Amino acid sequence: GAVVSQHPSRVICKSGTSVKIECRSLDFQATTMFWYRQFPKQSLMLMATSNEGSKATYEQGVEKDKFLINHASLTLSTLTVTSAHPEDSSFYICSALRDVPYSNQPQHFGDGTRLSIL
Amino acid sequence: DQQVKQNSPSLSVQEGRISILNCDYTNSMFDYFLWYKKYPAEGPTFLISISSIKDKNEDGRFTVFLNKSAKHLSLHIVPSQPGDSAVYFCAASVDKVNYGGSQGNLIFGKGTKLSVKP
Repeated sequence: GAVVSQHPSRVICKSGTSVKIECRSLDFQATTMFWYRQFPKQSLMLMATSNEGSKATYEQGVEKDKFLINHASLTLSTLTVTSAHPEDSSFYICSALRDVPYSNQPQHFGDGTRLSIL
Repeated sequence: DQQVKQNSPSLSVQEGRISILNCDYTNSMFDYFLWYKKYPAEGPTFLISISSIKDKNEDGRFTVFLNKSAKHLSLHIVPSQPGDSAVYFCAASVDKVNYGGSQGNLIFGKGTKLSVKP
């Protein structure tokens, strides 16, 4: 159990394009999902926390108008990189937290999306 | 300022021997620690976790040790197998449920690449 699917796995597009990435929890409900970004030789950095039915919480330095997050159901969160530029090229990865009534649960990760902006 | 540090970028171990992966942290508020394993082109897979109320947690060949006074944790894999070759990430978080919020905000180390040689 605890499978998270992320799609697409790789995107190559021109500067100025908007790109949508989907994150689905396949066999569990997830009120809370997370979006991370990883640059080469760096650790995973949290961008935002996505909560079903409410606005996402963004980490300091992450532009919410640039990275639009929608969490419309208990199994789906989307990240849209609007008007992407070469500096947005990175590895984006989502995770989901299983809805359980107690704390200290691991996050379960998707396989990530490699975004390359030309 | 890195709150979670994995000072060894790589480790090479002979099959059948013990692999010891180390992780240090600076934030004394962390009370939940996790290890993830990551293969190329895949997302991190949850391996084992430990709460700050414990100093050891064991699951099969994997054991995590926590030394709160030293702000240090380690992952022991014994016996090591070639299939264990991967990048191992240490992560830490604050259990926000006890503070009225939802658990999340994992802080990751940069990872240690383990190579187990036959």
